[in-house]
Amino acid sequence: GAVVSQHPSWVICKSGTSVKIECRSLDFQATTMFWYRQFPKQSLMLMATSNEGSKATYEQGVEKDKFLINHASLTLSTLTVTSAHPEDSSFYICSVKKYSNTEAFFGQGTRLTVV
Amino acid sequence: AQTVTQSQPEMSVQEAETVTLSCTYDTSESDYYLFWYKQPPSRQMILVIRQEAYKQQNATENRFSVNFQKAAKSFSLKISDSQLGDAAMYFCAYTGQGGSEKLVFGKGTKLTVNP
Repeated sequence: GAVVSQHPSWVICKSGTSVKIECRSLDFQATTMFWYRQFPKQSLMLMATSNEGSKATYEQGVEKDKFLINHASLTLSTLTVTSAHPEDSSFYICSVKKYSNTEAFFGQGTRLTVV
Repeated sequence: AQTVTQSQPEMSVQEAETVTLSCTYDTSESDYYLFWYKQPPSRQMILVIRQEAYKQQNATENRFSVNFQKAAKSFSLKISDSQLGDAAMYFCAYTGQGGSEKLVFGKGTKLTVNP
């Protein structure tokens, strides 16, 4: 299966600072990547669909200016949590899909703690 | 909009026994894909099994099999000869065709395997 690398695996930051999370597709070019958020003991909630070379598509209720997504290349998408607050603390997961294969491959996830 | 429903928040099974996890979905599409993902305590999402809607034959992967009832929009997962390592959260997921189609997840079922 495809390998998706997400970095960092965990991060602690102070309120008001910004945090960048990277998602890399290591063995194929991904025109589309997905960013999810998962609260404890809950399911994955899609935040946005990251499209290479164009603006991300955000789900309803997700603040675009809060969660900045950049998909500058076919192998890298980044999620930046701007002006982080404690309520942004969560588990963030990225995934990619091969166009011809609808199976999604997931990164290891990033546990963000804002103090 | 597509929805996925898992009505069993928690299930338990004795080691070596068989357990079935339920999933129903709603869609107006005729071609789509269904998945079961496993999320162990590490929180890495792992694909367990997939089913193409156009295939009548139920998918099987070693001890894991599905009962796909397209007319009833039902997609249950059967785990045979349960092992301690099967303990995890299990998510049922739906996606349409194409690389840009998002995954829609159910709320998950926490499976406990008792020795």
